Amino acid sequence: AQKVTQAQTEISVVEKEDVTLDCVYETRDTTYYLFWYKQPPSGELVFLIRRNSFDEQNEISGRYSWNFQKSTSSFNFTITASQVVDSAVYFCALINQGGKLIFGQGTELSVKP
Amino acid sequence: GAGVSQSPSNKVTEKGKDVELRCDPISGHTALYWYRQSLGQGLEFLIYFQGNSAPDKSGLPSDRFSAERTGGSVSTLTIQRTQQEDSAVYLCASSLVTGPNGYTFGSGTRLTVV
Repeated sequence: AQKVTQAQTEISVVEKEDVTLDCVYETRDTTYYLFWYKQPPSGELVFLIRRNSFDEQNEISGRYSWNFQKSTSSFNFTITASQVVDSAVYFCALINQGGKLIFGQGTELSVKP
Repeated sequence: GAGVSQSPSNKVTEKGKDVELRCDPISGHTALYWYRQSLGQGLEFLIYFQGNSAPDKSGLPSDRFSAERTGGSVSTLTIQRTQQEDSAVYLCASSLVTGPNGYTFGSGTRLTVV
């Protein structure tokens, strides 16, 4: 069975702080893909990143960075110098070759000015 | 179209009535997915289509829920005899093929059963 766990339900930080959102996954497949999506108050899900199981390189995109570690089945997401506009619910998700995207429960990030 | 379009954006219905939710995927996307998001909850998989067929219906909560897709494009999710627990945001997503691609999500239909 596949499962994605985001243990942090809510996080509150002050603007300019760094914040890391945790994601732990379970799968028996050797080939799988991990995603992060952002859901701002408007409700639409915005795709942030995809990482395949064979690529453990960390990735940085502006203030966002992702740390993928197969040894601990984790795919954590860090926002550096957070801004109020980063306030949203962030979802980690997993997909295997079968094609069904499984989501974690989400982490609600609140960035206060 | 440029994005995934869902209609209506909001629907209020009386308990016991049937509702139809529509999803227009991105042109050319063969895979289409339906998810449900209850208030404060994560996304619950309902069903997905590859073309017009639905290889995985495992997430449909009950036999009151059904979905179809015609012409490899538009999909309709039908809920019969709605119940209050059906109140949620219903999200549709599409992708070029099934498998490891990022899905593009629509803005959802907020269903309220009163």
